[in-house]
Amino acid sequence: GDSVTQMEGPVTLSEEAFLTINCTYTATGYPSLFWYVQYPGEGLQLLLKATKADDKGSNKGFEATYRKETTSFHLEKGSVQVSDSAVYFCALRGNAGNMLTFGGGTRLMVKP
Amino acid sequence: NAGVTQTPKFQVLKTGQSMTLQCAQDMNHNSMYWYRQDPGMGLRLIYYSASEGTTDKGEVPNGYNVSRLNKREFSLRLESAAPSQTSVYFCASTPLAVGTDTQYFGPGTRLTVL
Repeated sequence: GDSVTQMEGPVTLSEEAFLTINCTYTATGYPSLFWYVQYPGEGLQLLLKATKADDKGSNKGFEATYRKETTSFHLEKGSVQVSDSAVYFCALRGNAGNMLTFGGGTRLMVKP
Repeated sequence: NAGVTQTPKFQVLKTGQSMTLQCAQDMNHNSMYWYRQDPGMGLRLIYYSASEGTTDKGEVPNGYNVSRLNKREFSLRLESAAPSQTSVYFCASTPLAVGTDTQYFGPGTRLTVL
């Protein structure tokens, strides 16, 4: 079945540092890929998405590129802020067009 | 718009007790979902509802029942709570058919079963 693997956290960075959170997936066909973010005490919200190979999703300074050859969708940001502290989830929606499969989540802590 | 709302925010139960988690959305969405979130395991789908009057099992349905009361509301019931059901529960909705669009999440219910 489909699966998503994320790097385990927590990831602790200083403000303005470069961020990479790795995500790899296993799925048949051509899934859609997502990053969701969960701020403390809140539900998940969509951060960005990509629906086909080589697409780049971007939002709020975050980017991720759909790499089919490496089955990856790594999240990057050039300069993190304290307000980016949250849990980040990579997810995929399979070719059947149904449910989301989530990775285990990566907690990011940004220190001033 | 309030979006997706969930009640209660926190609940403590004893083993064997029952309770219903409530979820409502005011976005006129067709599809609704219940997930549980456990440390290191991401979110796992419990049940979903593609439209009013229909429900289907997800990945981890055992020990739960659901009701899609109307288009707005989708409740999750634990008939006899067990410690393994200690988790954070999220409700979500999408505007179109199941899986075809962005999911909007509620703030969650943190449940502890003693």
